[in-house]
Amino acid sequence: EAQVTQNPRYLITVTGKKLTVTCSQNMNHEYMSWYRQDPGLGLRQIYYSMNVEVTDKGDVPEGYKVSRKEKRNFPLILESPSPNQTSLYFCASSFGSGLANYGYTFGSGTRLTVV
Amino acid sequence: GQNIDQPTEMTATEGAIVQINCTYQTSGFNGLFWYQQHAGEAPTFLSYNVLDGLEEKGRFSSFLSRSKGYSYLLLKELQMKDSASYLCAAPGYQKVTFGIGTKLQVIP
Repeated sequence: EAQVTQNPRYLITVTGKKLTVTCSQNMNHEYMSWYRQDPGLGLRQIYYSMNVEVTDKGDVPEGYKVSRKEKRNFPLILESPSPNQTSLYFCASSFGSGLANYGYTFGSGTRLTVV
Repeated sequence: GQNIDQPTEMTATEGAIVQINCTYQTSGFNGLFWYQQHAGEAPTFLSYNVLDGLEEKGRFSSFLSRSKGYSYLLLKELQMKDSASYLCAAPGYQKVTFGIGTKLQVIP
């Protein structure tokens, strides 16, 4: 089954404790992206990757890191989480990128709470 | 850059028809997406319009006017399970920009 697998689904952590949210896709998509979703603000892009070893900042990259060492994996790293990073996070992948994006497949989401 | 506007909330009655509007301003255009998102779940793809006109897919239809920067999603024969947020989205140079989403409540 074609899918984007994101883990964990729920995570409660404390301020400053490094964490990683994993994302893996099995569709051989080149383009992958991380979004956060907050009430009243919609989906905002954190980072994206056009291909292996090619990553770039989205609209809200502060406090996050990503890597793309393999085509299928695109982990999101919070080196020192803070309460304002409490949010619902989605990983997404697509066949095309930019203006050639033909629709995302989303992971099931990670609800992160930082206390 | 990209700018997308859509109403925040709408309410409609079961069995009725509802139209959700979306206006956009983009630098470079290659179509418009509509996604459905139930509360706490991932968005799922509904439609993709790249040419002007109406595209029908079962109870859901999507319309695009490129000259007016306008799209709408039409939901017919509303069912309770259609209660969800509907996101309008436009692909840009290297990313997809989403509207804030329209939360649709279907009432009996």
